Amino acid sequence: EDQVTQSPEALRLQEGESSSLNCSYTVSGLRGLFWYRQDPGKGPEFLFTLYSAGEEKEKERLKATLTKKESFLHITAPKPEDSATYLCAVRVSFGNEKLTFGTGTRLTIIP
Amino acid sequence: DTEVTQTPKHLVMGMTNKKSLKCEQHMGHRAMYWYKQKAKKPPELMFVYSYEKLSINESVPSRFSPECPNSSLLNLHLHALQPEDSALYLCASSPTMGGHQPQHFGDGTRLSIL
Repeated sequence: EDQVTQSPEALRLQEGESSSLNCSYTVSGLRGLFWYRQDPGKGPEFLFTLYSAGEEKEKERLKATLTKKESFLHITAPKPEDSATYLCAVRVSFGNEKLTFGTGTRLTIIP
Repeated sequence: DTEVTQTPKHLVMGMTNKKSLKCEQHMGHRAMYWYKQKAKKPPELMFVYSYEKLSINESVPSRFSPECPNSSLLNLHLHALQPEDSALYLCASSPTMGGHQPQHFGDGTRLSIL
């Protein structure tokens, strides 16, 4: 069975304190891994798509990387406005094309 | 602002009421999705429409009835809901179903069943 696990469940950082969020996956064949940000009461906001091991994508203070077993979302010098829940989701090659989501990491940046 | 628009933002209904949720996108996307999200949980897929035809139904109870009148519009008709159906209902769209293309979400309808 396809599984996606995110860690930690919650993370509190001081403003400017860099860290990484982890998304590990066990799937039959990866067709794409997606990172989303979700603010309270809002829908998930698309951040990145990663297709193959070794790929990296960057946007402002965020950088996403992918290996054959996991993806990391690195956040550099975060600001309070980066506080949100970060979700990763995978789409498998031989499934029914639906996204399987992890349970998310709730990130809080303290000023 | 998201490019997927959902109305209403909030809905309170009794268990005997009939109501509808609406979703609209003007990005030319041909795949549209309904998700249900409970508090502190990830979104759960309910339905997928591809080129206005129902492609996936994740064994959703018949009290939820989806409809795709055209390529820009997606409805979710609600009837005889239960208190456990209270949740955030999210609509999403993508250029086509599957592959490397991300889904883009609306901000949802917060549904409360009395």
